Amino acid sequence: DVKVTQSSRYLVKRTGEKVFLECVQDMDHENMFWYRQDPGLGLRLIYFSYDVKMKEKGDIPEGYSVSREKKERFSLILESASTNQTSMYLCASSPSRAVNQPQHFGDGTRLSIL
Amino acid sequence: QKEVEQNSGPLSVPEGAIASLNCTYSDRGSQSFFWYRQYSGKSPELIMFIYSNGDKEDGRFTAQLNKASQYVSLLIRDSQPSDSATYLCAGQGAQKLVFGQGTRLTINP
Repeated sequence: DVKVTQSSRYLVKRTGEKVFLECVQDMDHENMFWYRQDPGLGLRLIYFSYDVKMKEKGDIPEGYSVSREKKERFSLILESASTNQTSMYLCASSPSRAVNQPQHFGDGTRLSIL
Repeated sequence: QKEVEQNSGPLSVPEGAIASLNCTYSDRGSQSFFWYRQYSGKSPELIMFIYSNGDKEDGRFTAQLNKASQYVSLLIRDSQPSDSATYLCAGQGAQKLVFGQGTRLTINP
């Protein structure tokens, strides 16, 4: 089974802090993704990566950055946290860019910015 | 226009009946479609994927794809209370999956 592990289930931070969310997958997947999920807005893609040191902007990249120094690890960084970044953050991975490749999700991190 | 659209529900179905979840998409280039189940407070879990026209069955679940009409559906036979969840439809776009908003399904005992 694919295992996608997010470092924290719940996290509380303060406005202006730099926040790191970590995600690790153990299946040698090429692709990794960061989403946020909010009531009424569904899943929104923040950033994704197809390879080490590569990153692509998703639909809502503003206020976020990412890092992928190793294939198995994809980090999401909130440069200066704001209250509107309070959300559920979901990491996902998929094997490759070929079609028919489902994404597998981690358990999510519920982040609160006070 | 949203690229993948679902009725947000809630959809209420009696236990033992067939639950029918529908999804339409606008990108004719989408080749693969995925159904995820998400329990409240949990992350999405893959149920099925389909990429050929027609039906694909897996246990109590059947996915249907009609590329000419640009719709995808998920049928759940013999619905159980444990099937109560939000179901997300996703289409494979050029670089990423495009998710619908999800349909909330409630199975009534």
